[in-house]
Amino acid sequence: DAKTTQPPSMDCAEGRAANLPCNHSTISGNEYVYWYRQIHSQGPQYIIHGLKNNETNEMASLIITEDRKSSTLILPHATLRDTAVYYCIVRPYSGGGADGLTFGKGTHLIIQP
Amino acid sequence: DGGITQSPKYLFRKEGQNVTLSCEQNLNHDAMYWYRQDPGQGLRLIYYSQIVNDFQKGDIAEGYSVSREKKESFPLTVTSAQKNPTAFYLCASRGPQGSHLSYEQYFGPGTRLTVT
Repeated sequence: DAKTTQPPSMDCAEGRAANLPCNHSTISGNEYVYWYRQIHSQGPQYIIHGLKNNETNEMASLIITEDRKSSTLILPHATLRDTAVYYCIVRPYSGGGADGLTFGKGTHLIIQP
Repeated sequence: DGGITQSPKYLFRKEGQNVTLSCEQNLNHDAMYWYRQDPGQGLRLIYYSQIVNDFQKGDIAEGYSVSREKKESFPLTVTSAQKNPTAFYLCASRGPQGSHLSYEQYFGPGTRLTVT
């Protein structure tokens, strides 16, 4: 799986949009970008994934650059409950990941009141 | 409600003892996974199973064993051979390949194991 680089931590004011960057310059053509988040002492939660088009769901938006070397997860109106560690993962789809996911250290997003 | 359960939430053991962590899912998922997380670190894959009676080693399988006798259950045994067993253990499952559920892994609440 391609390697990803994320800032270790970020702050965002409550009610503002939180923009979390991820670099994946070695991504290959069949690899998707996945985002998960982990609230303290809980299991990770899937947020969104994409290949090359921008994606949006009820939780977030995912913007992937045209060269696919980086992406941004956007939480449009951050709340205190969005404080968590956010993981960007790049891997082939292959049915969703038959051999597990590789989680780095992620970005610790802190929403400030 | 459908989901993944792990029990217990906290577990304490003496060094040299084997301990088995429970993971049960009622999502009818074929694939199940065990991860380990150390403080301030990401998750690392221990074992995974794509189907009943079959499982594969992940990145850090040494000192661990699993079984998959039932679709719903994927217990993890931490043996005395595991050098640093104290960690947060997470179980996950994934929907069937080819379905819209196959891209997402569902995680349990985790078991925090402390070995002294």
